[in-house]
Amino acid sequence: RKEVEQDPGPFNVPEGATVAFNCTYSNSASQSFFWYRQDCRKEPKLLMSVYSSGNEDGRFTAQLNRASQYISLLIRDSKLSDSATYLCVVTPSTGGFKTIFGAGTRLFVKA
Amino acid sequence: DGGITQSPKYLFRKEGQNVTLSCEQNLNHDAMYWYRQDPGQGLRLIYYSQIVNDFQKGDIAEGYSVSREKKESFPLTVTSAQKNPTAFYLCASSPGQGFSGANVLTFGAGSRLTVL
Repeated sequence: RKEVEQDPGPFNVPEGATVAFNCTYSNSASQSFFWYRQDCRKEPKLLMSVYSSGNEDGRFTAQLNRASQYISLLIRDSKLSDSATYLCVVTPSTGGFKTIFGAGTRLFVKA
Repeated sequence: DGGITQSPKYLFRKEGQNVTLSCEQNLNHDAMYWYRQDPGQGLRLIYYSQIVNDFQKGDIAEGYSVSREKKESFPLTVTSAQKNPTAFYLCASSPGQGFSGANVLTFGAGSRLTVL
């Protein structure tokens, strides 16, 4: 079993749609959780951290379920510019040096 | 603006040659990392460094070497011992333990290596 698993997609959605991505992780001692966005042939960039209480940043909402070892990202009112690969990222409790990246979920938003 | 600079952006290498990828950061971050990304796969950690003059192997260190002589610089050498070096190489840094956002990674734009 992979340490961080994501549905690779692709997810094809129309503009304005709501789309949700899921991610599971295997290490119950994991401490920090993030969503990164990666555009084609570019570097990953931090989208948002994920907190235990859940957090929202504009159209983006992240949720963490420690009991189920599950992280989610919800994008509301999708824009064409949201088309990218979304990476689920998990850091173990021992520190950030063994940060584990999921393989990513590809999203295509169409007009 | 603070950030991470990687060079070269594109590099072609003949089999049997060593190549060195440059990574420089002006974010005053303690920790630096090298990742490799292959199509359809997640990032895999090659080496990381928590402090100057110290570095640790990641999950796929074989065929690679690094140095950390300065806080700002963490070059990666891809040696001829690396059997499948064609990939997208990403350098990253983070503030380090004890700092705000300790685990948040900032990436450079990447170096794309192709072995001919």
